[in-house]
Amino acid sequence: DTEVTQTPKHLVMGMTNKKSLKCEQHMGHRAMYWYKQKAKKPPELMFVYSYEKLSINESVPSRFSPECPNSSLLNLHLHALQPEDSALYLCASSQETSPQETQYFGPGTRLLVL
Amino acid sequence: KQEVTQIPAALSVPEGENLVLNCSFTDSAIYNLQWFRQDPGKGLTSLLLIQSSQREQTSGRLNASLDKSSGRSTLYIAASQPGDSATYLCAVRRRGSNDYKLSFGAGTTVTVRA
Repeated sequence: DTEVTQTPKHLVMGMTNKKSLKCEQHMGHRAMYWYKQKAKKPPELMFVYSYEKLSINESVPSRFSPECPNSSLLNLHLHALQPEDSALYLCASSQETSPQETQYFGPGTRLLVL
Repeated sequence: KQEVTQIPAALSVPEGENLVLNCSFTDSAIYNLQWFRQDPGKGLTSLLLIQSSQREQTSGRLNASLDKSSGRSTLYIAASQPGDSATYLCAVRRRGSNDYKLSFGAGTTVTVRA
């Protein structure tokens, strides 16, 4: 099973809302990632978790708050977002953060901020 | 800074024709190069991962070559089918302090006409 699942598939939220994105994998991977992808652009790395600890934050605004409750689950909490945060949010996982490892991506959550 | 370029940005071919997709990168100090496929509004599917010590990788109708010294990779898709229509992205893992990052190209959008 090489599947990474993400929920919800689509999300519409207002600028004052609080919502969460969820990502799950059952491959025993110890590295998990959040990416943001704008239309017709490549994905941009946001966060890296290694063994359930945040190891990389790519200078992401604090209105995005990641959480890794256990080794299979990764959340992204959203609060007071701006319309320019509308994008496809992709989760990925790999065996470890070693550069030799393949990253497996989920289907993404398409977020629209009104 | 690693820059990854994919030319052309878009490609349209009749069914049955072989596809040739190009990827170039500026810094040859890489761990590996990965090719992904992305369908509209969906996540990324890993197609092939070539380690820096390898010259090529093959999977079914797909063959990817890597010439690290010249900073180039080519993805060949034999006997294209309409189902191959998608955006293809290449990404490299660069050696050094940022080796946790995938540096993506902007992608080549392929349309295979029936």
